[in-house]
Amino acid sequence: GAVVSQHPSWVICKSGTSVKIECRSLDFQATTMFWYRQFPKQSLMLMATSNEGSKATYEQGVEKDKFLINHASLTLSTLTVTSAHPEDSSFYICSADVSPGHSVVFFGQGTRLTVV
Amino acid sequence: AQSVTQLGSHVSVSEGALVLLRCNYSSSVPPYLFWYVQYPNQGLQLLLKYTTGATLVKGINGFEAEFKKSETSFHLTKPSAHMSDAAEYFCAVSENQAGTALIFGKGTTLSVSS
Repeated sequence: GAVVSQHPSWVICKSGTSVKIECRSLDFQATTMFWYRQFPKQSLMLMATSNEGSKATYEQGVEKDKFLINHASLTLSTLTVTSAHPEDSSFYICSADVSPGHSVVFFGQGTRLTVV
Repeated sequence: AQSVTQLGSHVSVSEGALVLLRCNYSSSVPPYLFWYVQYPNQGLQLLLKYTTGATLVKGINGFEAEFKKSETSFHLTKPSAHMSDAAEYFCAVSENQAGTALIFGKGTTLSVSS
């Protein structure tokens, strides 16, 4: 089946630094990818929709300058957390839409970010 | 606007017992409903989804869910729990069949004891 891979699986960074998370579709092309974050003991919240070759669409309340999304190819979307703070510590998960022609979305395994 | 409410943040069952995880939704448009399972430190795996047609949906690992429009519910069941079913379960709603831009419930942790 289709696979979505995230890298890294976990990362620890210092406050004020930036960290990049990659989301790759391994055996299909994904024109659209989605980024979610999950706080401990809470549900996943959609952060943004990443469209290949165009700007991402951010959900209300998500700072686009802090969470930079780049979808430069049909198999790769990146999320960069800039000037990270401890409150950015979270589990970040991406998903990829196998469309067109399919009605299925696949999720990556997630990236646990800890900012110290 | 759409929203999802999962009743019970934690459900505990014995191995072999019935599993029932509750989900109610709110949607101003015909909903597409999903159940996902998340194992520790892993991403989400789709269990099943309701789009149109038959209201009883069968998924993987013996799970099934019934869409009840009159009750705005989409409860997840499994006749006989396995130890391997212990995980976090999320109910979600979307405005499209693919399940993009999902609105998730808060999740229910299922524990299975021997």
